[in-house]
Parts: sequence; structure tokens; C-alpha cells
Amino acid sequence: KQEVTQIPAALSVPEGENLVLNCSFTDSAIYNLQWFRQDPGKGLTSLLLIQSSQREQTSGRLNASLDKSSGRSTLYIAASQPGDSATYLCAVSYGGATNKLIFGTGTLLAVQP
Amino acid sequence: DAGVIQSPRHEVTEMGQEVTLRCKPISGHDYLFWYRQTMMRGLELLIYFNNNVPIDDSGMPEDRFSAKMPNASFSTLKIQPSEPRDSAVYFCASTAPMGVGLFFGEGSRLTVL
Repeated sequence: KQEVTQIPAALSVPEGENLVLNCSFTDSAIYNLQWFRQDPGKGLTSLLLIQSSQREQTSGRLNASLDKSSGRSTLYIAASQPGDSATYLCAVSYGGATNKLIFGTGTLLAVQP
Repeated sequence: DAGVIQSPRHEVTEMGQEVTLRCKPISGHDYLFWYRQTMMRGLELLIYFNNNVPIDDSGMPEDRFSAKMPNASFSTLKIQPSEPRDSAVYFCASTAPMGVGLFFGEGSRLTVL
């Protein structure tokens, strides 16, 4: 069964700290992996998309890495800010270009000012 | 572009009533997805369409749920009759091929009393 797991489920850090969120998947035959952010009462916002042939993607203070062989991805957030507080979800696509995603349960991040 | 547009944002209804949720995907996107999010089960894919044709409805929980996409700019998810366990946030998302990522609407929060 294809499953996606995120650890930790919740994380609280002081402002300015660098942090890493983890995502693991059971089936390494992925098409791509996507990291999303969800604010309370809102939809999901795509942060980074990594194709299966890529090792990492960067956007501003965010860096996502992908290791297919070990079934892992990490999202690195540099110099965290209170505005980064949200739930972060990773999602894996096995459906080719269809982007049929399997989501992890998310990590709830709180950045304390 | 206005993004994926969903309506209503909130719906409160009584058990047994029919519920219709609506979605307008991003123009030019030919894949449309309906997801359901609950605290217990996280994000679950219900059904997705390609070029207005349902491709995979294996996630639809039971016959009370139905979805249609009469044209490229409109889709509905209908629950008839509704039950309290259907209470959740229902998200619509759209994408184009070639791995551009998935774009979500703000969701429709359904409460069935």
C-alpha cells in the first residue's frame, strides 16, 4: 500500500531558527513530490514541486530535497518567521502526469516570536 | 487568474438533505480533483476528471456521492442524502499536464446536523 508519513506531527520553534520537516513514502516509484502549506481555514498552497529526476528545489528560504531510493523528502526552512506558522503537507504522485496525489498527514508548525 | 473557485464556502444542513458543492477550475487546466479533508483521515481523493471525463472515482465513499463535470469550467459534487459523517472540508483542485503542480480552491466546509 502506498503511504506517506510526516514526522513530527507538530513542531514549535523560536523565531530565527532553521528547521527541517520530514516526509517518507513507502513506494519509491514516484512521479513527483510536492510540498504544500495550509493556513487555518484555507486551502492548500503549493510551495515546491520536485520531479522524480531531481534531487532538490529551492524557493527563497525554502529548500526541498528528494531521495527516492530511501523514500524520503525533507523541507528545510531557513531563518523561520512567525508568518511561517501553518500546517505543511507533502504529497506524492504515482499517477504520471495526472498528479493523483497521496498526502501525508502534515506537520503543524508554530514559530514563536 | 482568479485561481480555483469553490462555492459555497460554508454549508450547514440537516441530515437527509441534498448538498451540492461547486467548483470552477483554473482556465486551461484539464484535470480536476475533488478531495475531502477531516481530522481523522486527512486529505482523501474522492474523484478526478480529465477533459471533463471521470477517470477514477474509487475514492467516492458510497452511492450517496456523485460528481459531474458538464464542461471545462464547472464541476459539482453532490451528496444525497447527506449524513453527519459527511461533515468535512471538501476541496477542489486543478492542474495541467507536465507536472505544473496542483492548485487548490479555498474549500467548502460542510456541516451536517
